[in-house]
Amino acid sequence: AQSVTQLDSQVPVFEEAPVELRCNYSSSVSVYLFWYVQYPNQGLQLLLKYLSGSTLVKGINGFEAEFNKSQTSFHLRKPSVHISDTAEYFCAVRATSGTYKYIFGTGTRLKVLA
Amino acid sequence: GAVVSQHPSRVICKSGTSVKIECRSLDFQATTMFWYRQFPKQSLMLMATSNEGSKATYEQGVEKDKFLINHASLTLSTLTVTSAHPEDSSFYICSATWTQASHYNEQFFGPGTRLTVL
Repeated sequence: AQSVTQLDSQVPVFEEAPVELRCNYSSSVSVYLFWYVQYPNQGLQLLLKYLSGSTLVKGINGFEAEFNKSQTSFHLRKPSVHISDTAEYFCAVRATSGTYKYIFGTGTRLKVLA
Repeated sequence: GAVVSQHPSRVICKSGTSVKIECRSLDFQATTMFWYRQFPKQSLMLMATSNEGSKATYEQGVEKDKFLINHASLTLSTLTVTSAHPEDSSFYICSATWTQASHYNEQFFGPGTRLTVL
């Protein structure tokens, strides 16, 4: 079984400042890793994913994440945030074989301040 | 491509009534669809997985008779909340995928349906 921990429920940050949203996972098997963004009353939009290969993954809207297998982490970063980045961010994992199920973290609310 | 829609986007109903939510894959044939439930300020919890033409597989703790799922075609799955009560109020999100949807079977998410039971 897999589990995902997002340690920060809320992260306030000023506009144009850098931000890191933390994600740690636990799994006895190999996993794929994802970050999704959710704007109010909307579904999920895929920001980026790690499947294999380079541990640094670049996504949309200037976000990137680094897969660290030894620390079982997949932290999301952006060097300079905008007001429009205010949203809920979810980290998710899925086993590389077998089930299609995604396991989501509890989410981190990013609030960008002017 | 790979667009998933949900209808309605919002629904308000009286306690004791049933509500049907539709999930459609608009530009692909979805062999598998998922239904999630999201409480305010919480994560998505998988309710069930449905494969076209077969019975849905429910997660532990989800009442099969209360949350009826039908995946009758490759582009449509429905979730019916029967005899809804205020505690069923939530945001319901579906996702869809298909065999060979990239080698990791990416899920494509719908925009969600906000259910409020009075």
